[in-house]
Amino acid sequence: QQQVKQSPQSLIVQKGGISIINCAYENTAFDYFPWYQQFPGKGPALLIAIRPDVSEKKEGRFTISFNKSAKQFSLHIMDSQPGDSATYFCAASENSGNTPLVFGKGTRLSVIA
Amino acid sequence: EAQVTQNPRYLITVTGKKLTVTCSQNMNHEYMSWYRQDPGLGLRQIYYSMNVEVTDKGDVPEGYKVSRKEKRNFPLILESPSPNQTSLYFCASSPTSEGTQYFGPGTRLLVL
Repeated sequence: QQQVKQSPQSLIVQKGGISIINCAYENTAFDYFPWYQQFPGKGPALLIAIRPDVSEKKEGRFTISFNKSAKQFSLHIMDSQPGDSATYFCAASENSGNTPLVFGKGTRLSVIA
Repeated sequence: EAQVTQNPRYLITVTGKKLTVTCSQNMNHEYMSWYRQDPGLGLRQIYYSMNVEVTDKGDVPEGYKVSRKEKRNFPLILESPSPNQTSLYFCASSPTSEGTQYFGPGTRLLVL
């Protein structure tokens, strides 16, 4: 059973456009939702994360939107740049228990000029 | 520099020949984990460890072994590799299981 469903699998965006990646989860005990960014040949690295006490978190051009009632969260990349081309993974975990982070399957983003 | 290191970075082997991929972290993290990454399947957890001498199976543990005898090291062992274990492997560590995970650079394994 896939605990975190991520879409789309791949995404092509024009330079300057908005990239949107969506994730949905079922486990209502999840209370930590990070996004990881992975460049080719590198390991994933934390990009931005949110906890469910807020509906939105912004760091520069990257924003997480969180909808607790719908059990969905999304990553928005504003003014997308070719340097943003990477694979993005959403993830979720329970803060209160000793359970591992659960990852989505990833979205390969290509930003074209 | 705080980091997770893996060795080797690239490995070609043959079916049935035992191999070990080492993982070491210098951040005094309690939690360590191994993932494999395959196209279209994302990151799948193989094994994880909450602390020294404490290990547990992830989503795809078959064919793999791990040990956590020291806090900094978490080797991944393939006793009898098979071609379906050809993959990109990542080790990760974090202060706790739910916290930020720091990934190593990856080990690309080809089993012939």
